[in-house]
Amino acid sequence: AQKVTQAQTEISVVEKEDVTLDCVYETRDTTYYLFWYKQPPSGELVFLIRRNSFDEQNEISGRYSWNFQKSTSSFNFTITASQVVDSAVYFCALSEARGDMRFGAGTRLTVKP
Amino acid sequence: NAGVMQNPRHLVRRRGQEARLRCSPMKGHSHVYWYRQLPEEGLKFMVYLQKENIIDESGMPKERFSAEFPKEGPSILRIQQVVRGDSAAYFCASSHGDRGWPQHFGDGTRLSIL
Repeated sequence: AQKVTQAQTEISVVEKEDVTLDCVYETRDTTYYLFWYKQPPSGELVFLIRRNSFDEQNEISGRYSWNFQKSTSSFNFTITASQVVDSAVYFCALSEARGDMRFGAGTRLTVKP
Repeated sequence: NAGVMQNPRHLVRRRGQEARLRCSPMKGHSHVYWYRQLPEEGLKFMVYLQKENIIDESGMPKERFSAEFPKEGPSILRIQQVVRGDSAAYFCASSHGDRGWPQHFGDGTRLSIL
């Protein structure tokens, strides 16, 4: 069963536009963790954020913000005023009891100048 | 560089050969995870290890693949008798604890099978 769904395969925006990347997850655990990672064209994986299931506060870090809603099992990621350097594949991931992470298929974001 | 170190960065093997991928976790991390990323796909969990123990290998193919994390030295992912379908990027991640702790990734090993 698909644990993490990133329905948007590719998104293309023009610089300075805001963009939201969707993530929907599925779990029966009451305690779980959600993550976002960025994979730029160079290929490495960069950790962006971790959220535990008991903390539904939205988080903002510079131009990045995350909206966690347990009611809809979603953990969406918004980039405000996008820049060309934001171009990357973004992965949402879920960690349940076993510890390993289940990744979504990723969303490829292209920001055009 | 105190991050997760993977080597080699690129590895080319012919069909039937063995591939050995190495991963040194971040300092202080005792939990290691291996993931495989096929072209244009997300990461798929393979195996989770702690020192000298395999905790979860549910994502690893039953044949030809093995992993270890010895008391001393790096974690090793070994693929025996490689086939074309093994071509992928293999990422190692380490964390300070089990679930919930952020996993920090190495730069990956790109394995190409000729």
